[in-house]
Amino acid sequence: EAGVAQSPRYKIIEKRQSVAFWCNPISGHATLYWYQQILGQGPKLLIQFQNNGVVDDSQLPKDRFSAERLKGVDSTLKIQPAKLEDSAVYLCASSLAGAAYEQYFGPGTRLTVT
Amino acid sequence: SQQGEEDPQALSIQEGENATMNCSYKTSINNLQWYRQNSGRGLVHLILIRSNEREKHSGRLRVTLDTSKKSSSLLITASRAADTASYFCATDDVSNYQLIWGAGTKLIIKP
Repeated sequence: EAGVAQSPRYKIIEKRQSVAFWCNPISGHATLYWYQQILGQGPKLLIQFQNNGVVDDSQLPKDRFSAERLKGVDSTLKIQPAKLEDSAVYLCASSLAGAAYEQYFGPGTRLTVT
Repeated sequence: SQQGEEDPQALSIQEGENATMNCSYKTSINNLQWYRQNSGRGLVHLILIRSNEREKHSGRLRVTLDTSKKSSSLLITASRAADTASYFCATDDVSNYQLIWGAGTKLIIKP
């Protein structure tokens, strides 16, 4: 079974630039998550999709972050414009159907904003 | 917001010893999950325990859950160097079905 795929693995941008991350979840998984993880901290949920609908985006900074999940499969997370404090690892995870099931994580994208 | 709190924040033991980590949470939950994160394999699911379960085993892992105290513990027996990682608990809040994560325990196994 193929795991969760993410790209790119690393990205360095200057503040005020824009950046996009891509995630392909495990086939058949209805729920897709985007997390932000700052060094030394636990993952912080940014947005949760159930199929192609948003379940929770309460912690997504909507003035600069946006996410979509087209056709309930792949997803993209965008930051525009980036700030220094956005430097973090962005993790994508998927699960069969919500928080009652284990989550499978991708390798993450390490973003550095200079 | 993060409701799970792992204790201790860091733990260093000799290879072969047992490691115990604790997680406390604040709200009523459906289940509690433990994950491991190391640089080589990223975040990996270890075990899920439901609110009506008190103990669960998986290989060298033993998880207990006490819903009256809103706490869980993860025991790793006969530790190995490969167990060096950060361990996180995540709780599934009954009110919003959101998985909420703690800050993690950093475990170092000394050879």
